[in-house]
Amino acid sequence: TQLLEQSPQFLSIQEGENLTVYCNSSSVFSSLQWYRQEPGEGPVLLVTVVTGGEVKKLKRLTFQFGDARKDSSLHITAAQPGDTGLYLCAGARYSGGSNYKLTFGKGTLLTVNP
Amino acid sequence: NAGVTQTPKFRILKIGQSMTLQCTQDMNHNYMYWYRQDPGMGLKLIYYSVGAGITDKGEVPNGYNVSRSTTEDFPLRLELAAPSQTSVYFCATRPTGEYEQYFGPGTRLTVT
Repeated sequence: TQLLEQSPQFLSIQEGENLTVYCNSSSVFSSLQWYRQEPGEGPVLLVTVVTGGEVKKLKRLTFQFGDARKDSSLHITAAQPGDTGLYLCAGARYSGGSNYKLTFGKGTLLTVNP
Repeated sequence: NAGVTQTPKFRILKIGQSMTLQCTQDMNHNYMYWYRQDPGMGLKLIYYSVGAGITDKGEVPNGYNVSRSTTEDFPLRLELAAPSQTSVYFCATRPTGEYEQYFGPGTRLTVT
């Protein structure tokens, strides 16, 4: 089993602060996905990064895939209360054809206080 | 489109009982997945299917069974429920050739 270590596990910050969440592994992944999950709901995809060194921006969110495709980070600028939720990273490993399996990290529970 | 629907939303089972968690999708996606999410443990893959009639085990299949007779439905069966199966269960789908998985709202199961 390829493990994905997310840090920090919990993060409580004030509105307007910046933050970074890390996702690290000793294994190489074909791609890395970031999901956001709100209480009582299923995860919703934020972004997929595929190429080593890739950086993607989604408004105030910046995602980076490590050069070796083993790690990733999520940076949020000027956090808002609406950013509150559980952030999950998931690494994809192909298992034949177009099939792949996701390995999920344990998640980072972010609380942004007004 | 309803997307991915799961029923029931909540259920309490006694040890040794059995039940089926339903998952239905209307997006015509070939790939379907069942995950369980325990507090602080992320999501773990139970079973998956690459199309109607084809299923395979994931990381934690023991105590569960699945079937995929149609593209739309992918039920998860629990036989002889145990307290260790207390969890939140998510069904997900994925279209061929794309990365994104689309998750249902989940079923919260408690076994006592």
